[in-house]
Amino acid sequence: GAVVSQHPSRVICKSGTSVKIECRSLDFQATTMFWYRQFPKKSLMLMATSNEGSKATYEQGVEKDKFLINHASLTLSTLTVTSAHPEDSSFYICSASQAGLETQYFGPGTRLLVL
Amino acid sequence: AQSVTQLDSHVSVSEGTPVLLRCNYSSSYSPSLFWYVQHPNKGLQLLLKYTSAATLVKGINGFEAEFKKSETSFHLTKPSAHMSDAAEYFCVVSDSHAGGTSYGKLTFGQGTILTVHP
Repeated sequence: GAVVSQHPSRVICKSGTSVKIECRSLDFQATTMFWYRQFPKKSLMLMATSNEGSKATYEQGVEKDKFLINHASLTLSTLTVTSAHPEDSSFYICSASQAGLETQYFGPGTRLLVL
Repeated sequence: AQSVTQLDSHVSVSEGTPVLLRCNYSSSYSPSLFWYVQHPNKGLQLLLKYTSAATLVKGINGFEAEFKKSETSFHLTKPSAHMSDAAEYFCVVSDSHAGGTSYGKLTFGQGTILTVHP
């Protein structure tokens, strides 16, 4: 149980284009989803927290207009990297948790490469 | 505020020998503590968690960790390393202060890369 999927697993795009990453909880309802970014050989950095049906809460230093987060249902959250630039290249990981429970279950990650 | 310090960036052991990955934490509230494992280019898998119940926590794949409040530590151990244990391990603390904006927010340690030699 508690499986989280991400799609796509890898994406390469041109600079200036937008990329959407999906995060799905497959066997539970995720009231809260989190988006992280991991730089090479670094730990995970929380970008934002989203609760189903409400606006995401962004961490300090994360541009909300660049990283658009939508959590429209209890099983799906999307992260859209708008007008991507090479410095946005990274490993993006989502996680999901159920109401009242603090354990987060992580997706397999999406590797984004912006050329 | 909460923080996590993993004392070793790299640990190397021989197959069949014990594993010790060290973690110290600080938290303003009663913390929940987790260990996650990440294999190359993969997401994170939960190994075990401590949430104010028994101080010795058993996890998957033979791992266990002991919560020591007096030492603010949560070290991860395994009696006998296996080649498949080679991965990066993250110690994580969660602020369990319900109702605050930080509830459920995880703070990650810097990670420890475990290498297992034949």
